[in-house]
Amino acid sequence: GAVVSQHPSWVICKSGTSVKIECRSLDFQATTMFWYRQFPKQSLMLMATSNEGSKATYEQGVEKDKFLINHASLTLSTLTVTSAHPEDSSFYICSARDLGTYSSYEQYFGPGTRLTVT
Amino acid sequence: AQSVTQLDSHVSVSEGTPVLLRCNYSSSYSPSLFWYVQHPNKGLQLLLKYTSAATLVKGINGFEAEFKKSETSFHLTKPSAHMSDAAEYFCVVSVASGYNKLIFGAGTRLAVHP
Repeated sequence: GAVVSQHPSWVICKSGTSVKIECRSLDFQATTMFWYRQFPKQSLMLMATSNEGSKATYEQGVEKDKFLINHASLTLSTLTVTSAHPEDSSFYICSARDLGTYSSYEQYFGPGTRLTVT
Repeated sequence: AQSVTQLDSHVSVSEGTPVLLRCNYSSSYSPSLFWYVQHPNKGLQLLLKYTSAATLVKGINGFEAEFKKSETSFHLTKPSAHMSDAAEYFCVVSVASGYNKLIFGAGTRLAVHP
């Protein structure tokens, strides 16, 4: 149980184009999903907190107009990198909290999406 | 504000010897603490978690960690390292407000030699 998937697992796009990454909770409902960014050989940095049916909350320094987050259902959140540039190349990871285990503070992580912008 | 500091960026051990990965935390509340492991090109896997129950927490694959409030530490240990333990390990604290965001440490890369 508690499986989170991401699609695609890797994507290459040209500079100036937009790319969408999907995060799905497969066997549980998640009112809250989180998006992280990980540069090579570095730790995970939280980008934003995504809540079903409401606007995402972005961390300081994260451009909300560049990284569009939509959480349209209890099992799906999307991250769209708009007008991507080579410096946006990174490993993007999502996680989800199980609605049924609110008190556990545990997040379940997706396998990540590697974005390369050429 | 909550934070975690992983005291070693790299740890190298021989197979069959003990593993110690050190983590100190800072929190104005009673924290929830986690250890996650990340194998190359794979997703994060939860090893264990502390949420104000028993201070000695046992996790998967023989790992355990002890919460020491007096030392603000949550070190990860394993009695005998296996080659498959080679990976990146993250100590993580949960922010005790809002949506319980996770704050990651910088990570410790564990190498296991034959």
